[in-house]
Amino acid sequence: EADIYQTPRYLVIGTGKKITLECSQTMGHDKMYWYQQDPGMELHLIHYSYGVNSTEKGDLSSESTVSRIRTEHFPLTLESARPSHTSQYLCASSASGQGAGSYEQYFGPGTRLTVT
Amino acid sequence: GQNIDQPTEMTATEGAIVQINCTYQTSGFNGLFWYQQHAGEAPTFLSYNVLDGLEEKGRFSSFLSRSKGYSYLLLKELQMKDSASYLCAVMDSNYQLIWGAGTKLIIKP
Repeated sequence: EADIYQTPRYLVIGTGKKITLECSQTMGHDKMYWYQQDPGMELHLIHYSYGVNSTEKGDLSSESTVSRIRTEHFPLTLESARPSHTSQYLCASSASGQGAGSYEQYFGPGTRLTVT
Repeated sequence: GQNIDQPTEMTATEGAIVQINCTYQTSGFNGLFWYQQHAGEAPTFLSYNVLDGLEEKGRFSSFLSRSKGYSYLLLKELQMKDSASYLCAVMDSNYQLIWGAGTKLIIKP
């Protein structure tokens, strides 16, 4: 079944630790995205990728990095976690091309990160 | 700058109709999306409008007026399971989604 997966679902970690949030999709999509969302607030785009070896920064500088070595895998790494990174992180994917069917983004279940 | 405005919270009664408004100012326009997000869950797609007018899909309809920078989501025959946040998002000239903060809809019996 085509889907988008994120692990871990919940993570509590201490300040200064390096963490990687995993995102994989079996949708066959070229485009993938990472968003950060605080409760009751809008989604902020952190990074996006339009294909293998293509990564771009979004409008939110979160001191994170991403890689896209395989089409289906788009991990997000925080080199040194800080309490300000406490948030929900959502991964999404969409198809290439034009029109609603391509623009629609499918979301993973999210990772709720708490940095103490 | 780019801006999406929608009410923070609305309350409606089970079985009734509710209209959630969204106004936007963005750099270019390549369509407007509505997503539903239950508490603690990921957003799920509801509708996409790129031309003016009303799109109906079951109990949910979405309207767009590009000249007014305005859209609304209309929910009919409300059910308790419709209690969720409804997110308005506009695709800008770079084909990036600009998101509103969402409208939390509370359904009362």
